[in-house]
Amino acid sequence: DADVTQTPRNRITKTGKRIMLECSQTKGHDRMYWYRQDPGLGLRLIYYSFDVKDINKGEISDGYSVSRQAQAKFSLSLESAIPNQTALYFCATSDLGSQNTGELFFGEGSRLTVL
Amino acid sequence: RKEVEQDPGPFNVPEGATVAFNCTYSNSASQSFFWYRQDCRKEPKLLMSVYSSGNEDGRFTAQLNRASQYISLLIRDSKLSDSATYLCVESLNQAGTALIFGKGTTLSVSS
Repeated sequence: DADVTQTPRNRITKTGKRIMLECSQTKGHDRMYWYRQDPGLGLRLIYYSFDVKDINKGEISDGYSVSRQAQAKFSLSLESAIPNQTALYFCATSDLGSQNTGELFFGEGSRLTVL
Repeated sequence: RKEVEQDPGPFNVPEGATVAFNCTYSNSASQSFFWYRQDCRKEPKLLMSVYSSGNEDGRFTAQLNRASQYISLLIRDSKLSDSATYLCVESLNQAGTALIFGKGTTLSVSS
């Protein structure tokens, strides 16, 4: 089983719908992240969290919100999805003890299509 | 937005070949760099970290040139299984919250 699990893996929705992508991890890491990947662009950080009470905006947080329900769970919400939010979304974790390594452990990705 | 520039390729090489990718970065103060590997439709996975002048792991060698602000990845004796997209990553801070990902370089190794 994957250490970082994302659900759903694929989702097609319509403009204006609310969407939640969920992420859970069994690695015991404190830090969790949400990235999106678009063709021809590098991965971009949406939000990150260092613990349950900590939420921080990343580079492209507009139109998104997150919730850190527990150390192991970090969900990403699109309150009103729009077509340019069509992308591949990755959840990732990192170990506080390895904060200088830049090593992120990614989930398998959630492919979202907004029509 | 600070950019990490990579040649997108694709680099098409035969098995056994040596291939090198370069990546340029814009922040001269950055201390840490990384190469990630991403297979088609899969998640990125860390391949190598580059903190000082370079790092070597088996057939893979990463080098950092601070004067010219680029890092390179050298793959010797290419295998079919090396076919993937290689992402160059610059870390702007020690907290790991400011990672700039390049768009990736695609490598295709053929028999």
